[in-house]
Amino acid sequence: GQSLEQPSEVTAVEGAIVQINCTYQTSGFYGLSWYQQHDGGAPTFLSYNALDGLEETGRFSSFLSRSDSYGYLLLQELQMKDSASYFCAPNAGNNRKLIWGLGTSLAVNP
Amino acid sequence: NAGVTQTPKFRVLKTGQSMTLLCAQDMNHEYMYWYRQDPGMGLRLIHYSVGEGTTAKGEVPDGYNVSRLKKQNFLLGLESAAPSQTSVYFCASSYQIGTYNEQFFGPGTRLTVL
Repeated sequence: GQSLEQPSEVTAVEGAIVQINCTYQTSGFYGLSWYQQHDGGAPTFLSYNALDGLEETGRFSSFLSRSDSYGYLLLQELQMKDSASYFCAPNAGNNRKLIWGLGTSLAVNP
Repeated sequence: NAGVTQTPKFRVLKTGQSMTLLCAQDMNHEYMYWYRQDPGMGLRLIHYSVGEGTTAKGEVPDGYNVSRLKKQNFLLGLESAAPSQTSVYFCASSYQIGTYNEQFFGPGTRLTVL
């Protein structure tokens, strides 16, 4: 079967660093995507890891370990506007469908 | 470029009524998807298309039909709306480079079925 686990909620303060973990189990695997969704908005793409290691995009970094079926999103220098839901979405390869979980709600406090 | 657009943005239906949601993309993407999202939940795939003239069922296809007559358009139909179909509907499109699959989302349609 397929499963996806992320923490449901994370709270942090402005300027801090937060890590959102994701573990997955899929029948096939091509890579791991991360999306951000603000309340009332649409999901927007943040990053994609096809290979093991760290990908950095500005304040955000994403890590993948294929052997551990594990990844994380690292958000640095947190800002209030980073308050949103974050979804890890494995690409299981079947016609390029992504697997979506419940996401992690991040609250950034002053 | 407009990206992915959805029509309408809001709609209220009565039980049993029908409607069509329109999704249009101007990025020449092959893949298009229809999702629904309920409060506090993730996205659930309703139907998707891997190219013009093709459609396939996702994880929650019952009560919905789709058509992809033109590459840029993907229509989602509700033949007889039910209160359980009250949700936010998102359309997305994507292109393929190797395993890379970045999905671009429309702004969503907020549907209420009374």
